[in-house]
Amino acid sequence: ETGVTQSPTHLIKTRGQQVTLRCSSQSGHNTVSWYQQALGQGPQFIFQYYREEENGRGNFPPRFSGLQFPNYSSELNVNALELDDSALYLCASSIPQGGGTGELFFGEGSRLTVL
Amino acid sequence: KQEVTQIPAALSVPEGENLVLNCSFTDSAIYNLQWFRQDPGKGLTSLLLIQSSQREQTSGRLNASLDKSSGRSTLYIAASQPGDSATYLCAVNPFGYSTLTFGKGTMLLVSP
Repeated sequence: ETGVTQSPTHLIKTRGQQVTLRCSSQSGHNTVSWYQQALGQGPQFIFQYYREEENGRGNFPPRFSGLQFPNYSSELNVNALELDDSALYLCASSIPQGGGTGELFFGEGSRLTVL
Repeated sequence: KQEVTQIPAALSVPEGENLVLNCSFTDSAIYNLQWFRQDPGKGLTSLLLIQSSQREQTSGRLNASLDKSSGRSTLYIAASQPGDSATYLCAVNPFGYSTLTFGKGTMLLVSP
């Protein structure tokens, strides 16, 4: 059973550029969530995908967008990068339950630096 | 709006000590609570998950308790080791949602 994998692990962009981050979910998990973690802070929820549909979104602007594919892998796209977008981007997979979520399993993250 | 607070922000102990990390949350309507470990620059490793109907969960030297009515959880680490040095994050899953709300974490340093 493979865990959650993310790519790339590190990348450097300049302001105004666009970036795509990728995530493969754990085997059998149909839900993928993306979180942003700034230095010294806890992760903040960006959005979640369930069966290829967005299923919840945190307080992030529309330039943060995503996709989920039939194999449940996912992409996070950020347009018009800003300096404050520099952070560790974490992907988590899970299986939803009746009143909430099952255990979340996270990948190693993608470290984005915006210059 | 759910808010999660972790105290202390940092903790330094000698090897072998038992220690307690605290987590409090403002809204008791939660589905579960999860404790994670994060090594510097790395992802999150799930340690323990407590369902809202449970009082505690144990895994090896770790024991997590939950008092939903008072909005508190504790993570107890027995006989700490230098390898336990990491940041420990508490996260609550609000009832009816599939997201997690995180605290800022407690940075633990265990010295030999």
